[in-house]
Amino acid sequence: NAGVTQTPKFQVLKTGQSMTLQCAQDMNHNSMYWYRQDPGMGLRLIYYSASEGTTDKGEVPNGYNVSRLNKREFSLRLESAAPSQTSVYFCASSEGSRGPYGYTFGSGTRLTVV
Amino acid sequence: AQKITQTQPGMFVQEKEAVTLDCTYDTSDPSYGLFWYKQPSSGEMIFLIYQGSYDQQNATEGRYSLNFQKARKSANLVISASQLGDSAMYFCATDSGAGSYQLTFGKGTKLSVIP
Repeated sequence: NAGVTQTPKFQVLKTGQSMTLQCAQDMNHNSMYWYRQDPGMGLRLIYYSASEGTTDKGEVPNGYNVSRLNKREFSLRLESAAPSQTSVYFCASSEGSRGPYGYTFGSGTRLTVV
Repeated sequence: AQKITQTQPGMFVQEKEAVTLDCTYDTSDPSYGLFWYKQPSSGEMIFLIYQGSYDQQNATEGRYSLNFQKARKSANLVISASQLGDSAMYFCATDSGAGSYQLTFGKGTKLSVIP
């Protein structure tokens, strides 16, 4: 019962470096999401994918790109990391329809940009 | 756009007492869902309870209940008989009707349960 798996769990980058955060779900969910969590800010949506083959910007998309590789996988890429991107990143998935199904979150990636 | 307001940055409650965490929301969608999540210090997001906007009764899940007042646009979480393990951040969220139902979160309330 893996649910949503994120890799890596921790990462330290230097300013200007690039990296990709990986996310995979095994629940056959249609929709997937990337959020960032900063102290005192709650979770803010970066990008989402309503279904395989589609992606859309969320509240804070600048500096990020995403790829919905297939139904299971949704990756987040930082092309040129900046200290402002230091955060905890959560991937989530859902059925993609309204209802009491909840959203399943990964365990998070703690990213530090120095 | 949806907005969630949680006005209590931090709350304290005595063990075994009940506590209410406030949440107000703003949405133009006639149909929406309201969620509460718990985030312990370990960092994972744990789904607690859901309320649909057309649900006639307030949602309950074990010691958690949601005091839903639609006209006031509030969806307060009530935790009964608090336990030490309830110490955590609590987030209220709502989904949008834009097709993918992405969640919009409040800033959270840090609950501390005192022995």
